[in-house]
Amino acid sequence: GQQVMQIPQYQHVQEGEDFTTYCNSSTTLSNIQWYKQRPGGHPVFLIQLVKSGEVKKQKRLTFQFGEAKKNSSLHITATQTTDVGTYFCAKGNYGQNFVFGPGTRLSVLP
Amino acid sequence: NAGVTQTPKFQVLKTGQSMTLQCAQDMNHEYMSWYRQDPGMGLRLIHYSVGAGITDQGEVPNGYNVSRSTTEDFPLRLLSAAPSQTSVYFCASSYAESGANVLTFGAGSRLTVL
Repeated sequence: GQQVMQIPQYQHVQEGEDFTTYCNSSTTLSNIQWYKQRPGGHPVFLIQLVKSGEVKKQKRLTFQFGEAKKNSSLHITATQTTDVGTYFCAKGNYGQNFVFGPGTRLSVLP
Repeated sequence: NAGVTQTPKFQVLKTGQSMTLQCAQDMNHEYMSWYRQDPGMGLRLIHYSVGAGITDQGEVPNGYNVSRSTTEDFPLRLLSAAPSQTSVYFCASSYAESGANVLTFGAGSRLTVL
């Protein structure tokens, strides 16, 4: 079963509104990764977080890793139609299973 | 570099038929894996390999076989297709370095089993 959970499952926002998706694990994570999948496309790597409390930014995207390394979040400021897609968090290390969360599907209304 | 190449992009099978989904990468990645994606289920790992001659099972291996005879290729075989195997299949690869966890995905293969 899923070892990494994500909420919400779906999110509809008006263009310009903010968006946040949360990723939770019952066990301590050595790292967390985030991927984006556009409709009809394949997952594309966004970022990896490793350190407790780590915060990384990519333009309008802010990624956080919890202090206990059991949760993470992705926040998008002022969404645009180009942000549409499904955002996945994933845990894993080389040589082991990479486990993906079920994803959060984001719709942006113009 | 072409990255990760999957063929075919689309395939329709009848129940009981067999087929092979091909995956090739030209990045000299040692780690390769197969995922299936179903609505609401995210990406579930089928099989993975950490190098030529080495394969291991993921979360949903039943009904699928893999082999890794070369670094570049990691085919996924369905010996007797079932409607439950209707899905989108993604192949992904990664470097064999500690901390290098980035997965590069292929474009996907959409399989329908009637």
